[in-house]
This record gives sequence, structure tokens and C-alpha cells, in this order.
Amino acid sequence: DTEVTQTPKHLVMGMTNKKSLKCEQHMGHRAMYWYKQKAKKPPELMFVYSYEKLSINESVPSRFSPECPNSSLLNLHLHALQPEDSALYLCASSQDGDQQGRVNTEAFFGQGTRLTVV
Amino acid sequence: KNEVEQSPQNLTAQEGEFITINCSYSVGISALHWLQQHPGGGIVSLFMLSSGKKKHGRLIATINIQEKHSSLHITASHPRDSAVYICAVRPGGTSYGKLTFGQGTILTVHP
Repeated sequence: DTEVTQTPKHLVMGMTNKKSLKCEQHMGHRAMYWYKQKAKKPPELMFVYSYEKLSINESVPSRFSPECPNSSLLNLHLHALQPEDSALYLCASSQDGDQQGRVNTEAFFGQGTRLTVV
Repeated sequence: KNEVEQSPQNLTAQEGEFITINCSYSVGISALHWLQQHPGGGIVSLFMLSSGKKKHGRLIATINIQEKHSSLHITASHPRDSAVYICAVRPGGTSYGKLTFGQGTILTVHP
């Protein structure tokens, strides 16, 4: 199983709603990532988890709250989003696990969640 | 100037043509990835390279570390190859797979 599964595929939410994006992988990868991608732009890194601990937060607003309940799951909790937060949210995972991150391993991406904030 | 530059930005080809997409980067890297993204879709990893050449089906990727340059070749292109191709590098010493992305090359293959 070399898949990263993201749910839901599409999500429309109001600015006062609370919702969550989910990501799952069963490849034994110990690093998981959230990326945000706007139309016609490359992905932008949001968060990195390594061994279920948050290791990188790329100055993401607090209305985005990541959570890694176990080594296979990664969530992104959304609250009080703005219309400009509408984007494709991609989850990825890789085998990277050591603190120095020098292991060169491939990143596997999910299909993304297309989020629209109205 | 971006750390990762791809060329061309847009590429149109006829079915069967040989296609080359180039990627130049300005930082030391530990790995380079070629990724494919179909419209509205997720990203598929095609190759990860740290040296030499890799081949998978009709796709070939090469990298020249000294020249800081990589190419992605598609032989006998097909309309289903139409997608955005993204070059991404992992800067040397960067932990946890943090990738720096190029702007992407939009490939359209006509039947």
C-alpha cells in the first residue's frame, strides 16, 4: 500500500464553521506534512510532523490547527477561516525519521482536499 | 530569483513527440523530485534523484549535481501525459523532507 488517503475530497465551509481534514497512510512513514496550494502555484509547506511531534510550523495562522493522533493519521482542524484560505490542501508522508533528516526518501502525496470558504 | 527554476513554463506537443522539461536550482541539495499533478488533482511522485539517471516506462529523469540541473524526458508522448510537472529539491542538510518547489511546467499533448 503506497497510498496517502485524504478525506474529504471536497469541502465547503462558512467562516464560522469548524471542520477537520484527515490524512492517513499505512506505509510506516514517520514524517507527515500539510501543504497548501493555490491555483496555478506550487505547494507551500504548512506543517511537518516527525514521530508524531510537530517539528515545523511555517508561521501558519492559528485558525489552522494540526494534530497527529498516531503515526498513521494526520488531521488539520479548521476554525474561523477566511475566503482567501480557499485552496487545495495536500497531505504528504515520507520515511524521514531521524533528527538530522539526512535519509533521502521519497515523498508520497495524497489527492488533496479542495476547500472552499464562503 | 527562485531557488528552483523550471523551463519551459508551458509546453505543447503532438502525440508521439519526445518531450524535455528542464530544472535548474541554485542551492546544494540532498535530493531532487519530479512530481506530476493533473488538473484539480493530487500530486504523484515520479522520481527522486540524488545522482545519475532513472527510467520508468516512458519517463526518464537525469541529474547533473555539478551543474545543478535536472531534466525530465517523456518519450512517445500521449494525451494522458498532459499535466503539470513540478521539480522540487530538498536543500542539503534540511530535515524532515522540506521541499523547495519550482513553478511547474504545464504540458499539453494533443492527439
